[in-house]
Amino acid sequence: AQKITQTQPGMFVQEKEAVTLDCTYDTSDPSYGLFWYKQPSSGEMIFLIYQGSYDQQNATEGRYSLNFQKARKSANLVISASQLGDSAMYFCAMREVNYGQNFVFGPGTRLSVLP
Amino acid sequence: EAGVAQSPRYKIIEKRQSVAFWCNPISGHATLYWYQQILGQGPKLLIQFQNNGVVDDSQLPKDRFSAERLKGVDSTLKIQPAKLEDSAVYLCASSKGNEAFFGQGTRLTVV
Repeated sequence: AQKITQTQPGMFVQEKEAVTLDCTYDTSDPSYGLFWYKQPSSGEMIFLIYQGSYDQQNATEGRYSLNFQKARKSANLVISASQLGDSAMYFCAMREVNYGQNFVFGPGTRLSVLP
Repeated sequence: EAGVAQSPRYKIIEKRQSVAFWCNPISGHATLYWYQQILGQGPKLLIQFQNNGVVDDSQLPKDRFSAERLKGVDSTLKIQPAKLEDSAVYLCASSKGNEAFFGQGTRLTVV
């Protein structure tokens, strides 16, 4: 079964606007971590933000914030004040603490920032 | 701090040939992963090491793929013989705490 779902294959946003990238996940492990990675056209995977399943507050890192809704099993990434350099693939990933601890990735969302 | 190093960056081989990829993780990172990323998809785990032991290789096609991590540091991933469907980017990552840090990957093209 798909553990990470990203329903938006592609998204467009105007420069300086905010954008939300959707991610839903499925797990029976009570202890897990949720991650967002950015993959520019050059290919490297860049870590953006982390949310632990027991964290009470939503994670924030600069212009990135994670909208964590545990009951709905969603972990949406919000990018504020989009920049042209934000154009890239974005992957949501989950790591289950009690089931192997490897990172399971979603299919990704391609974000294009328009000038 | 140096990042995860991978080589080569690019490789083109003919089907049925063999190929090897090398990864040097971040110093002190006990966990090392190899992922396969086919164009347009998210990375898929091939194998996970904890020090020099295998934690998960359930998705590794063992009839053609092999990996080792001698002395719990560097790792090599080998494909023998390669098939057309092995064309992908092979990503190595290492982890010590929560997040994983990725190398730039090796783009393999099998013709």
